[in-house]
Amino acid sequence: EPEVTQTPSHQVTQMGQEVILRCVPISNHLYFYWYRQILGQKVEFLVSFYNNEISEKSEIFDDQFSVERPDGSNFTLKIRSTKLEDSAMYFCASSAKETQYFGPGTRLLVL
Amino acid sequence: SQQGEEDPQALSIQEGENATMNCSYKTSINNLQWYRQNSGRGLVHLILIRSNEREKHSGRLRVTLDTSKKSSSLLITASRAADTASYFCATDATSGTYKYIFGTGTRLKVLA
Repeated sequence: EPEVTQTPSHQVTQMGQEVILRCVPISNHLYFYWYRQILGQKVEFLVSFYNNEISEKSEIFDDQFSVERPDGSNFTLKIRSTKLEDSAMYFCASSAKETQYFGPGTRLLVL
Repeated sequence: SQQGEEDPQALSIQEGENATMNCSYKTSINNLQWYRQNSGRGLVHLILIRSNEREKHSGRLRVTLDTSKKSSSLLITASRAADTASYFCATDATSGTYKYIFGTGTRLKVLA
């Protein structure tokens, strides 16, 4: 069964550094998403992406964040200058329509 | 703002018993989804129910939706230890952008 994959599974970085989180969505899906979950808290929507552009973004998704689909298979989330409060699990998801399938997540720790 | 809230926050039952979790939300929706999350892992999609549906089944799962009360329930019948996880409802806005708002989750523990 096709699934969403994410790399790396864990990332530790210093405050102020740039990180790129990578995702490979399910191949015939057209909608892509990033969510995050701070430890012990809700899953929060960050951004949705369709037809090579952002469809919607939350207030969390400020200028420090960007997304890109650099080729036909990858979908990336970049955080330009990480802050301590960016420490969280980041989930990529993809969908053909309403049902979103999530990857296993990247646990980001900012020191 | 649109928000899903599950109750109870935590539920502990014996293997073989049924588990019922509830979700309430505030604004109109197109559909509602239930997800399972094992500790520290990804979200597994369980079931989607559309706003014009009242009940849906998938194996041991039964989901109901009452749009007049803005609530949904997830019933797991004949629970197993492997069902131990957190369960979340997620609702979409009617804007059609497929942005989902997740609830706070119910932590289910099934004792063997």
